[in-house]
Amino acid sequence: NAGVTQTPKFQVLKTGQSMTLQCAQDMNHNSMYWYRQDPGMGLRLIYYSASEGTTDKGEVPNGYNVSRLNKREFSLRLESAAPSQTSVYFCASSGRDGEGNEKLFFGSGTQLSVL
Amino acid sequence: LAKTTQPISMDSYEGQEVNITCSHNNIATNDYITWYQQFPSQGPRFIIQGYKTKVTNEVASLFIPADRKSSTLSLPRVSLSDTAVYYCLVGDMAINNAGNMLTFGGGTRLMVKP
Repeated sequence: NAGVTQTPKFQVLKTGQSMTLQCAQDMNHNSMYWYRQDPGMGLRLIYYSASEGTTDKGEVPNGYNVSRLNKREFSLRLESAAPSQTSVYFCASSGRDGEGNEKLFFGSGTQLSVL
Repeated sequence: LAKTTQPISMDSYEGQEVNITCSHNNIATNDYITWYQQFPSQGPRFIIQGYKTKVTNEVASLFIPADRKSSTLSLPRVSLSDTAVYYCLVGDMAINNAGNMLTFGGGTRLMVKP
């Protein structure tokens, strides 16, 4: 049981390049989320997905697209990267733990630098 | 969306009890209050969750007054390893309401000194 797995862990892009951040969870959770965290700041919600085939915009969706490929996978795509998208990206899923708490389970993050 | 407000930072010393308060004046009936801890370069980690009154687990206590417009995370006898950022998250976490827009505030940066 790996939890939430994100790839890659690090990425450097040039302005205008595109890339896809991958996220997968093996906990059979319905909901998945993408957050970004700029240095010294809190997490901001980019997109979320309530279930396979559905996605919704969060607080800062501009410049991003997402795909909920199936129940396990939720990918984040940058079509034309900009330096303002330099950040750490966290994927999360939500579900119940063994003690009945409904909570977010986070991946280890992807550190993205756009030059 | 229930907006949350927390102190930006707090300092404490090893062995002291630390209380961090979060304000959430427009909390909804179905909203739960959940606290997370985040170390540098890591994703947030669940600490404790509650709906009303008091909840205690092996690492913390959560106090929620009757009007639920605020909550206080209490960390007993902190150590240096408790230096982290603490986030209060308010939202409807029920499975049957999956996919709610769960947004974090700025968090509280706790520094524990020797």
